[in-house]
Amino acid sequence: ETGVTQTPRHLVMGMTNKKSLKCEQHLGHNAMYWYKQSAKKPLELMFVYSLEERVENNSVPSRFSPECPNSSHLFLHLHTLQPEDSALYLCASSQGYAGGSYNEQFFGPGTRLTVL
Amino acid sequence: EDQVTQSPEALRLQEGESSSLNCSYTVSGLRGLFWYRQDPGKGPEFLFTLYSAGEEKEKERLKATLTKKESFLHITAPKPEDSATYLCAVQANYGGSQGNLIFGKGTKLSVKP
Repeated sequence: ETGVTQTPRHLVMGMTNKKSLKCEQHLGHNAMYWYKQSAKKPLELMFVYSLEERVENNSVPSRFSPECPNSSHLFLHLHTLQPEDSALYLCASSQGYAGGSYNEQFFGPGTRLTVL
Repeated sequence: EDQVTQSPEALRLQEGESSSLNCSYTVSGLRGLFWYRQDPGKGPEFLFTLYSAGEEKEKERLKATLTKKESFLHITAPKPEDSATYLCAVQANYGGSQGNLIFGKGTKLSVKP
């Protein structure tokens, strides 16, 4: 595997389900990100982890819960979602975060989430 | 407030018809400006980083330029395979979220044979 991988690629869930999205980066990067992409809107940053520590939580509802067990893996746990949460969820990684680093982020293919 | 605006929202070109996409920005000190390409159903693919006004970068039929207020992505003699949404993002030098990228809504480019 190379780059950033995400699983599953597609997910359909009911409002009462619990599911998790997985992201893995094979680039040796130190920062990882979750974004939400909805039609006609800019990418919305949800969470940032730098060196496995959460450094940004962009006013995201608690029904989204991130987890970063190590610098290569990132999860997004989902529970009690709403239909408006249907979107493409993208994971990204970068060499560094803030502190003088340039933030060239590399993205995974995304998970297309549909909430019924 | 840091902001990125891309225009036009959509652009339809004939194969070989050169054009430019615009990204205008307001940011508290620009650390970097980034261009990405995104194909339908896929994640954004990194194209270029520009760091200072006057800088230019090229890749195949694409050339990105930067001024103090905007960036242009010039597409020379485009081919149908250049069809995609092109995203622009900026990173600020100052502020509490200086590590974050601020994205525009993108320009959807269609190139017809």
